[in-house]
Amino acid sequence: QKEVEQNSGPLSVPEGAIASLNCTYSDRGSQSFFWYRQYSGKSPELIMSIYSNGDKEDGRFTAQLNKASQYVSLLIRDSQPSDSATYLCAVPSGGSYIPTFGRGTSLIVHP
Amino acid sequence: KAGVTQTPRYLIKTRGQQVTLSCSPISGHRSVSWYQQTPGQGLQFLFEYFSETQRNKGNFPGRFSGRQFSNSRSEMNVSTLELGDSALYLCASSLKGHTGELFFGEGSRLTVL
Repeated sequence: QKEVEQNSGPLSVPEGAIASLNCTYSDRGSQSFFWYRQYSGKSPELIMSIYSNGDKEDGRFTAQLNKASQYVSLLIRDSQPSDSATYLCAVPSGGSYIPTFGRGTSLIVHP
Repeated sequence: KAGVTQTPRYLIKTRGQQVTLSCSPISGHRSVSWYQQTPGQGLQFLFEYFSETQRNKGNFPGRFSGRQFSNSRSEMNVSTLELGDSALYLCASSLKGHTGELFFGEGSRLTVL
C-alpha cells in the first residue's frame, strides 16, 4: 500500500508569517507531486504541481521536492487569513497516474 | 468555462437502498474520476473512466459501480447502502487523464440512515 503522510495539524501561524507544510511518500518511483487546497465545506482545488527536484514558485506559494528524502513541502509566504484551509498532498505511485492523497494538514492563519 | 457539475448536492437514503450520482466534467475533458471523502479515511479513489471505459478501479466492494457516456458525463451507483457509505462523493475531471492534475466538482454529500 503506497502511502502519503501529512501532519494533520492544525498548524497555526500569524498573518504575514511563512507557513510550511510537509508531506512524505513511500513510493520511490513517484514522478509527480501535487498540492490541493480544500476550504471547509468545499471541494479540493489544485494549487501546485511539481515534477522535478528543487523549488517551484507560483506567487506566494513555493513547492519544494526532494526525491532522495522522499518529501515534498509547500511554503506559503505572507500568509493571509484567507489561506486558512486544509492542504492535501497527492502523489501518484510510480506505476500509475492515479494520485494517492494524504489526510491533509489544517492551516489556521490568525490576524 | 463551466466547472465540474455534480448532482444531487445532498441526499439522504436509508440502509439497503441504492443511489445514483451524476457528474458532468469540464467541457472537453474526457477523463472522469470518482473519490469518496470521509473524516476517517480522507480521500479514497473509487474509479476512473476515459472514453466510456473504466481504466482504473480502487479498492471498493462491487456495490460501487460507475459508467461514462459518450458525452463524457459519468454516473456512479452504490447499491445496498450501508451506514459507512455516508460520505462526500467527489467527481474530478482532467483533459486527457494520465495526470494527477484534477478539477473537482463540489461533491454529492450522501447520508445513510
